[in-house]
Amino acid sequence: KQEVTQIPAALSVPEGENLVLNCSFTDSAIYNLQWFRQDPGKGLTSLLLIQSSQREQTSGRLNASLDKSSGRSTLYIAASQPGDSATYLCAVRRGDSSYKLIFGSGTRLLVRP
Amino acid sequence: GAGVSQSPSNKVTEKGKDVELRCDPISGHTALYWYRQSLGQGLEFLIYFQGNSAPDKSGLPSDRFSAERTGGSVSTLTIQRTQQEDSAVYLCASSLGQSRSYEQYFGPGTRLTVT
Repeated sequence: KQEVTQIPAALSVPEGENLVLNCSFTDSAIYNLQWFRQDPGKGLTSLLLIQSSQREQTSGRLNASLDKSSGRSTLYIAASQPGDSATYLCAVRRGDSSYKLIFGSGTRLLVRP
Repeated sequence: GAGVSQSPSNKVTEKGKDVELRCDPISGHTALYWYRQSLGQGLEFLIYFQGNSAPDKSGLPSDRFSAERTGGSVSTLTIQRTQQEDSAVYLCASSLGQSRSYEQYFGPGTRLTVT
């Protein structure tokens, strides 16, 4: 059974700091991995999607890496801003025929001005 | 263009009543998903549609839950005889085509409170 874990559960940093959020999964046979952000009371916004054949994806100040063999992904946020404050979720899609995403419990990020 | 929309945004209902939650996917997206987000369980998959068919219903928690999709577009999630443990945010997502390579785009959710 695929399980997804995100550490830390919460993180508070001063504005401008570079930071890394971690995601680990127990079964390395994944199809792809997706990072989302969720603002309080809102739905999920897709940030980055990494296919299993890729090692990383970049969008603006965000960079996501994937190491399938070790069951890990990281989301790197450069020069953090107060507007980055949100909960960040990672989700994996299994390598079998499944279409569903399996989510971690998220990291709640607070960027202090 | 327009994203995934869901209605209502909030729903308060009495225990034992039936509720219907609606999802309008992004135009042209043939795949549609329902998830549930609750405090104790995190974000859980409920059901997946490809067109009007549901090849994966494995996440529906009980036979009180059902969903349908018509015209390859709008989907309705129905919960019969609601219980307090059904209180959660119900999220709908859609993606383009049948390939599992595509991103899932989420709607704002419906917050269901069962009193």
